Order: sequence, then structure tokens, then C-alpha cells
Amino acid sequence: DTGVSQDPRHKITKRGQNVTFRCDPISEHNRLYWYRQTLGQGPEFLTYFQNEAQLEKSRLLSDRFSAERPKGSFSTLEIQRTEQGDSAMYLCASSFASPDTQYFGPGTRLTVL
Amino acid sequence: QQQVKQSPQSLIVQKGGISIINCAYENTAFDYFPWYQQFPGKGPALLIAIRPDVSEKKEGRFTISFNKSAKQFSLHIMDSQPGDSATYFCAASLQAGGYNKLIFGAGTRLAVHP
Repeated sequence: DTGVSQDPRHKITKRGQNVTFRCDPISEHNRLYWYRQTLGQGPEFLTYFQNEAQLEKSRLLSDRFSAERPKGSFSTLEIQRTEQGDSAMYLCASSFASPDTQYFGPGTRLTVL
Repeated sequence: QQQVKQSPQSLIVQKGGISIINCAYENTAFDYFPWYQQFPGKGPALLIAIRPDVSEKKEGRFTISFNKSAKQFSLHIMDSQPGDSATYFCAASLQAGGYNKLIFGAGTRLAVHP
């Protein structure tokens, strides 16, 4: 399978714990996006990487959130001191410069107890 | 101005019927309008997309109609099938620094009854 992969698919954690999610984009894609989707809503943009550079961060991304994309390959999204409001599906998408069609992964569903 | 408003929230259609989902936007800087289909437990998958210089685009049973002056666009699913039952999201993209940041609507849950 050469699509976008995300790991883990599900994560249950207790409030206050740190969690890290991984996204592996389609291999030739240099653009990588993170979105958050809450129940019954559309995905909301969190952040964007072009190669290894993080070019935009949404105001939704508080100081507890950090994302990296070392060497422009896979990306990680870390949430520190999780809160119940962080419970959501975290989606990763990747694209190539032209055409900039975004392909989404299956998401990581986070539940904070 | 960054919002995309989608309606209806849910839709029930009989097999063989036409499903119509509507979206409206405010920001005239949006320049790319995709529709995504999402099944439970899966990520969104691109269905069809249109740019504002075109009024209609058709791919198989799926058609986007785009009305630039009204700032509205819609998805038509012809001959709807039970396998089309999913949540559909419209989106609009704002070119920012050369990349597409997608702004999604809230989604329409479509149920196609046999």
C-alpha cells in the first residue's frame, strides 16, 4: 500500500499524559498537512510542512502541541499534558507541489479520559 | 470570511435517485473547491474538485456545479447507490505561500436506501 499511513490508529490516554502520533506520507510528496476532526465536524487545519520546514501553524495549535518533520520524510505530532478537549481524530495529508491534491491517511483517534 | 457553510446536515435518498449537497463561501480569494467522501473510521478521500474558472465538472456519476457570482457550489450524485452512503465534505482552498490550506464544511451524512 503506497498511501498515507498513520500510527497508532487509536490512542487512549489519561488527562495530563503526553502522546505522540506518526504520519508517513506518500513517498514522493514534499507537502504534509495535519488536521483535527471532532465528531460531526469537518477537518480543521492545524499545521503545514514543506519538506522539513514548518511554514504555518493554526491558532488551534496551542503551546502544548508540537509537530516535526525531520529530513522532510515522516512527521510526528506531539501533545503534551493532554486535556479532554484534545479528544479528536488527528488526520495527516500529503501532496505534491503540482497538482496540490491532498491525500489523507486513516487518522489517529485520540481519547483522553 | 474563512467559513464554508454546508447543507443539508443529513440526507436520505432512495436508490437510483439524485443526491444534492450545497455549499456556500464568503472569501472570494478561494480558488480551489474539492469534495471529499469519508466512510466511518477512514480518512477523507478526494472525490472531485473544481476551480472557479469552470462552471461545471463531471466525473462519472458525480458533478460539481459552481456559481462564482453567488459564491456557491454543489455536488450532485446521479443514480445514487447504497455504496454511496457516507459523509461528504465540501472544502475551499486558500492559496497561501503556494500551498492549499483546506477549509472544510461541517459535512453531510448521506444515506441511500435500497
